[in-house]
Amino acid sequence: AQSVSQHNHHVILSEAASLELGCNYSYGGTVNLFWYVQYPGQHLQLLLKYFSGDPLVKGIKGFEAEFIKSKFSFNLRKPSVQWSDTAEYFCAVINQAGTALIFGKGTTLSVSS
Amino acid sequence: DTGVSQNPRHKITKRGQNVTFRCDPISEHNRLYWYRQTLGQGPEFLTYFQNEAQLEKSRLLSDRFSAERPKGSFSTLEIQRTEQGDSAMYLCASSSRGQGFTEAFFGQGTRLTVV
Repeated sequence: AQSVSQHNHHVILSEAASLELGCNYSYGGTVNLFWYVQYPGQHLQLLLKYFSGDPLVKGIKGFEAEFIKSKFSFNLRKPSVQWSDTAEYFCAVINQAGTALIFGKGTTLSVSS
Repeated sequence: DTGVSQNPRHKITKRGQNVTFRCDPISEHNRLYWYRQTLGQGPEFLTYFQNEAQLEKSRLLSDRFSAERPKGSFSTLEIQRTEQGDSAMYLCASSSRGQGFTEAFFGQGTRLTVV
């Protein structure tokens, strides 16, 4: 069965620090990958997605992610985090049937001002 | 607000009682999903509807769980004879009527506490 692994459970950064959150997926075929964010008290929102084409995907709020097929990875990056980036971040992949998302366990990001 | 709407937002129930949650998806979306999220975990897929047809169910969806989407619009998720292990956030999501999966839009969830 497909799975998604997020290596960092909790990341603590100061404002202006650079961010990289790891995500690895298990499926070796065609993959569609997502990063969702959940701000405190809010619903899950899409940050960015990769379906095909340029493996470097740019999303909202200055986030980007790079799909590296050989490493089964889709890491999320941001050059300079802000206090408002404090949230929980989830990596997800579409299941083989193409019908639903499979999520990782999430990474909690805490940014101090 | 034209996003995915879930009601109630919070539900506290005694063990053994039945509960029902409602989800109103984005109006033009024909695909609807239910997920469950517990503390420290990502959302776990429960079931998927395309229009009124329930096309996929996770093995997590025990016999005590039933979901419906009678007219292809709103959906309900019922849990019978609730157990403490059912305590979780239940999330609903919808996606567009396009050919393939593009993006899921999530509601704010219903937090269930079984005491």
